[in-house]
Amino acid sequence: KAGVTQTPRYLIKTRGQQVTLSCSPISGHRSVSWYQQTPGQGLQFLFEYFSETQRNKGNFPGRFSGRQFSNSRSEMNVSTLELGDSALYLCASSLAWGGEQFFGPGTRLTVL
Amino acid sequence: AQSVTQLGSHVSVSEGALVLLRCNYSSSVPPYLFWYVQYPNQGLQLLLKYTSAATLVKGINGFEAEFKKSETSFHLTKPSAHMSDAAEYFCAVSGPSGANSKLTFGKGITLSVRP
Repeated sequence: KAGVTQTPRYLIKTRGQQVTLSCSPISGHRSVSWYQQTPGQGLQFLFEYFSETQRNKGNFPGRFSGRQFSNSRSEMNVSTLELGDSALYLCASSLAWGGEQFFGPGTRLTVL
Repeated sequence: AQSVTQLGSHVSVSEGALVLLRCNYSSSVPPYLFWYVQYPNQGLQLLLKYTSAATLVKGINGFEAEFKKSETSFHLTKPSAHMSDAAEYFCAVSGPSGANSKLTFGKGITLSVRP
């Protein structure tokens, strides 16, 4: 069974632009969570989606948003990029809400 | 609210030596506890988890951890380090239900293994 896939793997943007990251969960998994990893702040929870509904949300500004589609694939969007948004963005999927999470390889975003 | 403390940012051991990575947690609900490993330029891989069953948990690659409620600890151990164990290790806590299922991570510990 294929694991969690994230596209693109690497991304370079400039300040003020917006970006969309994609996550395809393991087949059959219905819950997707997103995390941001930076050297300074470590791993921080962004949000979790289950059955196309946001179930949990972390402490990030409204510039960070996400959605989940009927096939459980998820996207996250960051608008008006700031230098501090440079990070590794990790997606994790689980069978159900609150289940064991399996992580993808991440998307490394660099904001110049 | 939940939090995890991983003391120290770097541990160095000799190949064949005991590995001990410390993790203390704080949780207002019965905790689920996890150890993840991250190799360079990769995502997180689950080593082991505690979900209120046996307090001594065995994971992959010879790692194990013991849940001690009285000490609010969940330290990770491996009897004999291997060069391939060099990586970053994260302890994480979550709650038992969907509403508090988000993972809260510690800052991580980098493990180096000397030949």
